[in-house]
Amino acid sequence: GAGVSQSPRYKVTKRGQDVALRCDPISGHVSLYWYRQALGQGPEFLTYFNYEAQQDKSGLPNDRFSAERPEGSISTLTIQRTEQRDSAMYRCASSLEFGGGETQYFGPGTRLLVL
Amino acid sequence: AQSVAQPEDQVNVAEGNPLTVKCTYSVSGNPYLFWYVQYPNRGLQFLLKYITGDNLVKGSYGFEAEFNKSQTSFHLKKPSALVSDSALYFCAVRDIEGQNFVFGPGTRLSVLP
Repeated sequence: GAGVSQSPRYKVTKRGQDVALRCDPISGHVSLYWYRQALGQGPEFLTYFNYEAQQDKSGLPNDRFSAERPEGSISTLTIQRTEQRDSAMYRCASSLEFGGGETQYFGPGTRLLVL
Repeated sequence: AQSVAQPEDQVNVAEGNPLTVKCTYSVSGNPYLFWYVQYPNRGLQFLLKYITGDNLVKGSYGFEAEFNKSQTSFHLKKPSALVSDSALYFCAVRDIEGQNFVFGPGTRLSVLP
């Protein structure tokens, strides 16, 4: 596709359920990033991949959060045993290459609401 | 650790007037600096970035930003604001050896007709 896509766009779930958020990066992009954005705040880094390798997961809040990118393309962010405080916009971004100066292109986000 | 400050939550400017959205940063070593814009119900869109070279960077939609190393600032500017520029603006920093982006809290720009 032309840009980064994310699905679902909206997810409502009950506390305690697991959710899986999907990101499909721009074709050929090497690096993929996950962010969480609370209302009225800037995006907060969660984790990122170069190809299929997870390079940094220091931003994942706790062990209920995990991410994978098994074939170096599509990525899934999984939240287990969701809690109300997990409610936020989850954003994915990709960049053509890895490197500090590479531009990240963002998807539309998945808005997660945990009841 | 890197950090970004956007000291103004809200900036109001009249259409046709120049606008400035401020950003200061803290990073060890040399920074990579970025500006992104977020329109309502849309994703973040890249505006411009500073990597190296000329301190004045020109980007999309007539925006520009000036890197000032001594003041650790990267203010976003536009000579003549449009109503359509009204949006949420985010500054972000990454150090050369860093792994992740750090975004500022955002500044809401309102351009009044």
